[in-house]
Amino acid sequence: QKEVEQDPGPLSVPEGAIVSLNCTYSNSAFQYFMWYRQYSRKGPELLMYTYSSGNKEDGRFTAQVDKSSKYISLFIRDSQPSDSATYLCASYTGFQKLVFGTGTRLLVSP
Amino acid sequence: ETGVTQTPRHLVMGMTNKKSLKCEQHLGHNAMYWYKQSAKKPLELMFVYSLEERVENNSVPSRFSPECPNSSHLFLHLHTLQPEDSALYLCASSPEPGGYEKLFFGSGTQLSVL
Repeated sequence: QKEVEQDPGPLSVPEGAIVSLNCTYSNSAFQYFMWYRQYSRKGPELLMYTYSSGNKEDGRFTAQVDKSSKYISLFIRDSQPSDSATYLCASYTGFQKLVFGTGTRLLVSP
Repeated sequence: ETGVTQTPRHLVMGMTNKKSLKCEQHLGHNAMYWYKQSAKKPLELMFVYSLEERVENNSVPSRFSPECPNSSHLFLHLHTLQPEDSALYLCASSPEPGGYEKLFFGSGTQLSVL
């Protein structure tokens, strides 16, 4: 079983839609959770970072962690074509290496 | 120049060639990393350096040889690679080792081994 699992997509939505991207994880010791955005032919860039359970909001982006179900979500409101990218979730315990999911490809059509 | 810069952006090499990937960070960070990104696989951590000292080596084959001459520069020397080594190689840096909440990536080198 992979430590962090993501649906590879692609997920196709029209401009303006609310997007929900999700990951599950297996290691109950994970305390830190990240979402990275990776454009084609670029390296990943950190979008959101949360510690433990709860929600964190930054502009159109909301990250949500539910440790009881080991579920990580990223919501994008009013999605734009410029949001088209691959989104990677990642987690770590605080002492070991960062573990990534395989990424979900998002396509936002005008 | 700002951030993390990687050269070359693309590299095609035969299995008998020797080549090197270069990474430079302009963020004043103390830790640098090499990651491998293959299609449909999670990013794999290859090496971690802290202040020019290798602190982690994740069972990477010896045909990959890292070098960190100072805290701003990182190299990955490649020799006698296999076709399955074709991937995007990403360099990253953070203020301290394990400081993943401030992990910055370069744009990567897309490597093709023929």
